[in-house]
Amino acid sequence: EAQVTQNPRYLITVTGKKLTVTCSQNMNHEYMSWYRQDPGLGLRQIYYSMNVEVTDKGDVPEGYKVSRKEKRNFPLILESPSPNQTSLYFCASSLTSGQGDPYEQYFGPGTRLTVT
Amino acid sequence: DQQVKQNSPSLSVQEGRISILNCDYTNSMFDYFLWYKKYPAEGPTFLISISSIKDKNEDGRFTVFLNKSAKHLSLHIVPSQPGDSAVYFCAVPDQGGNTPLVFGKGTRLSVIA
Repeated sequence: EAQVTQNPRYLITVTGKKLTVTCSQNMNHEYMSWYRQDPGLGLRQIYYSMNVEVTDKGDVPEGYKVSRKEKRNFPLILESPSPNQTSLYFCASSLTSGQGDPYEQYFGPGTRLTVT
Repeated sequence: DQQVKQNSPSLSVQEGRISILNCDYTNSMFDYFLWYKKYPAEGPTFLISISSIKDKNEDGRFTVFLNKSAKHLSLHIVPSQPGDSAVYFCAVPDQGGNTPLVFGKGTRLSVIA
């Protein structure tokens, strides 16, 4: 089954304790990205990657890191989490050709993070 | 400034009636528009899209209309069903083609049986 998986689905942590949220896709997609969803703000992009070893900042990258060492995985790293990073996080992937109409993005089920 | 605006945070419709969700955008260079649907505790799923060379795209009960002169698109669901109750996001590629999507804030649709 084609899917994007995220782990963990729920996480409660304390300020300053480094954490990683994993994301994996089995569709051989080049493009992967991370979003956060907050009430009244919709979905905002954190980071994206057009392919292996290629990453770029989205709209709200502060406080986050990513890496893309393999095509299928795109982990989101919070080196020193703070309460304002409490949010619902989504990973997404799609094909990309760089030209023409965009391909549909497939989203993971979400990770609900609480930082106290 | 928001590039994509969904000005109605919520909408309530009777089952069987038409639901109309609206989205306004600021950049006339946007060339492709997408709608996503999101249920609680799930990730968004792609629903329907439209290219700027068209003014209408239909897929079953879902139709998206694009008015380029008004920089406005709308999603029509007819007839509405209780299972359509979800949050709907419109999205555009930030710089056209296969570039990161910019999402609106979403509209929560409630279809009442």
